Formats: sequence, C-alpha cells, structure tokens
Amino acid sequence: DVVMTQSPLSLPVTLGQPASISCRSSQSLVHSDGNTYLDWFQQRPGQSPRRLIYKVSNRDSGVPDRFSGSGSGTDFTLKISRVEADDVGVYYCMQATHWPLTFGGGTKVEIK
Amino acid sequence: EVQLVESGGGLVKPGETLRLSCVASGLTFSEAWMNWVRQAPGKGLEWIGRIRRETDGGTTEYAPPVKGRFTVSRDDSKNTLYLQMDSLKTEDTAVYYCTTMGKWGQGTLVTVSS
Repeated sequence: DVVMTQSPLSLPVTLGQPASISCRSSQSLVHSDGNTYLDWFQQRPGQSPRRLIYKVSNRDSGVPDRFSGSGSGTDFTLKISRVEADDVGVYYCMQATHWPLTFGGGTKVEIK
Repeated sequence: EVQLVESGGGLVKPGETLRLSCVASGLTFSEAWMNWVRQAPGKGLEWIGRIRRETDGGTTEYAPPVKGRFTVSRDDSKNTLYLQMDSLKTEDTAVYYCTTMGKWGQGTLVTVSS
C-alpha cells in the first residue's frame, strides 16, 4: 500500500497568519493517465470531511481561495494564506492513484 | 444541492451481519463512482471500498482489511448505495461515510461489541 505521511501532526497557528501542511507519499502519485490523484480534505470538529482540493491544486466549488495545493511526484503541500477561526480542524491528504486508496494520518490545526 | 444520507448503523455482536444504505439526491447517481470510507472513534479516515458506474463496468474494489467480508453494491433505479458487512469484528467499529469524495454524507455509526 502507498503510505501517506503528513507533517506536522499538530499545527498551532495565529489568526491571520499563514499555515502549511506537508504530505509525502511512499511512491510517485503520477497515474499512467498522466494525472496525479492527490486530494486534500478538511474535517471540522463534529463534522463530516469536506474535500478542499483535488488533483493536487484544483479547489472545489465554494472553497475560499485562501486554500491552495501544490506539489508533484511524492511531495505535496496544502497552504492556508491567512488562517481564520473557521479553519480549525483536522486536514487529511489522500491518494487515489494506486489501489487501495490511502489517507494520511491527519494534521490538527488549532488557533494559538 | 447534493445530499447523501446513510442509514442502517447500530450495535451488533462480533460475527454478525449489517447492511448500510446511502440514498443520494441532487446528483446523477448513475454517473457517480461511489465510495465507503470509515473512521474509528478518535482515529483518521480509512477508505474501505468503491463501486464504479455501470458504464465503467460497475466493478468494485476493496481495502484488504474488509475484502471478502464486505460487499459494495448499488441500485441506480433507487439512487442508493449499499454496504453489506458480514463477519463483523470489533475493529470494524467506526462511523461509516458514503462519499463521491467530492460530497460526503453525515455518516452512520457501527458498533461491534459483545
């Protein structure tokens, strides 16, 4: 299975400051069709997950442009340009290039 | 608005069977690849299975921990996704989500305990 490793595990941030989460995969996520199937999800406390980013850098509808995704191959990043109180929760990366689909362990974002 | 509504969770004993349902609305269900993802209490997300749309063969794939015990199926005439769970184990205790990955249901809790 492809192992997805996120860092840090916990990320205390100051309101209005940027935040960055890293996700590394144990093998390349470039699919034979040329796409890279790396998504990012946000799970607020007590809520279902919500996808923010698909295929590395594409924002889902309704996702603020404060969120951006980047990366290639085995190394990916989710950035929040200015953290708001609403951004508190756990963030997960997920690869869908290889079977079985696998998630990272999660990064908990909290306000300092 | 897309809605995915799971049902069928509950408390069962090890070795027993349970079937979850997920009714979809607000999307062309027959065109969607559908997944089940679970989350054990206080833990992260775990993908457990998916079913392709019929035009892509309607085939299924499963994660190793559930392969041979769980079965994903769909009834496009009813806009409904199913998860048949046999030979349940205590480690299957989790909230089970129905998802297209772009949209998620609210989840249904399955507790396996003697």
